[in-house]
Amino acid sequence: QPVLTQPPSSSASPGESARLTCTLPSDINVGSYNIYWYQQKPGSPPRYLLYYYSDSDKGQGSGVPSRFSGSKDASANTGILLISGLQSEDEADYYCMIWPSNAGVFGGGTKLTVL
Amino acid sequence: QVQLVESGGGLVKPGGSLRLSCAASGFTFSDYYMSWIRQAPGKGLEWVSYISSSGSTIYYADSVKGRFTISRDNAKNSLYLQMNSLRAEDTAVYYCARRLRSDGMDVWGQGTTVTVSS
Repeated sequence: QPVLTQPPSSSASPGESARLTCTLPSDINVGSYNIYWYQQKPGSPPRYLLYYYSDSDKGQGSGVPSRFSGSKDASANTGILLISGLQSEDEADYYCMIWPSNAGVFGGGTKLTVL
Repeated sequence: QVQLVESGGGLVKPGGSLRLSCAASGFTFSDYYMSWIRQAPGKGLEWVSYISSSGSTIYYADSVKGRFTISRDNAKNSLYLQMNSLRAEDTAVYYCARRLRSDGMDVWGQGTTVTVSS
């Protein structure tokens, strides 16, 4: 199964934006997949944030603020989660996911610290 | 409210078996695909298996294929995971999750802990 690469950690200050990346292996084209993003806080199950395929095909999880958004960088074969107007409550682990060939694959996760 | 509640976790010896259950409420269970996902202590998420709404389509991660069996009983609003030939590396919190048509998993249970140790 493919490996989705996420930086282990990231940090930003309150009010700033955080850009979390999820890089697909070179044999999988990011343009062909929905990228799903999940947030997990310590001791809690994951929370579904959104999926992104394109600007015309995307979806927000129920109750997820619009300051969470997705995009892609095709040149880097990467999915991106952008969190604008960071709040202290956004400090959490963030996981990306795809569904290649009917098998789900998660990235290793990024721990976001809000300084 | 929409809810998933897992049960059946516990301590089991290597080579042993365990059956996890996931009770759904607050939505029409039979309309949704369902998944199992696990998380080893201090580690990331790992997708384990999914089953279609009717139970006719099933897929497993390579790491559990041939040892785990997913099933569902739509009349009882319940999802199951039969785990056989358990190994130490199966130690994890096991979550069930509802899968949307967009393939996002939007409702998760609180998880049940499986520990495989002698």
